[in-house]
Amino acid sequence: GQQLNQSPQSMFIQEGEDVSMNCTSSSIFNTWLWYKQDPGEGPVLLIALYKAGELTSNGRLTAQFGITRKDSFLNISASIPSDVGIYFCAGLYSGNTGKLIFGQGTTLQVKP
Amino acid sequence: AAGVIQSPRHLIKEKRETATLKCYPIPRHDTVYWYQQGPGQDPQFLISFYEKMQSDKGSIPDRFSAQQFSDYHSELNMSSLELGDSALYFCASSLAGQGIKGYTFGSGTRLTVV
Repeated sequence: GQQLNQSPQSMFIQEGEDVSMNCTSSSIFNTWLWYKQDPGEGPVLLIALYKAGELTSNGRLTAQFGITRKDSFLNISASIPSDVGIYFCAGLYSGNTGKLIFGQGTTLQVKP
Repeated sequence: AAGVIQSPRHLIKEKRETATLKCYPIPRHDTVYWYQQGPGQDPQFLISFYEKMQSDKGSIPDRFSAQQFSDYHSELNMSSLELGDSALYFCASSLAGQGIKGYTFGSGTRLTVV
């Protein structure tokens, strides 16, 4: 069953605004990932987090792995129209075969 | 750079028919994963293969089977299709030992069962 709780479910913001979304889990993950999915396409990796407390940036994106390894957030600064899409968090267990557990997704819409 | 290739991109089948989805991993990748994403849902893990052997199994119905061939491509066979099988089916590939690095998704096959 679902093990990652992602919020908010959707966001409608103005271009230039900052965005924040987060994920929590009842399980400890070894690696935490953030993906973006465009309509009809596969998820594309944005940021991977490997260590508890790790803060990583990728351009206008910043993500942090929680100290307890049970949560993470993703921030997008100065949003632009091409940021539109669905953002998923995903977790990977230690020693896992590579199976990813996904959050429910956050749908982001940006108004120019 | 070569990506994960899935075929067909779109497939329409009737109830109780059979469908075969194909996945061609990135060259030299030895592990393949299959995910199912229903409308408005997150991707759900179905099954994975490493070096042609099943390595993990998720919520895959008994009506579905899959295998990985000697050239590392994989096929997902779906029989007795039901309306609820309508979904996007993604394949991902990776190279064992590299963890999440290089773990790449294909563009998916959209299966519609009517």
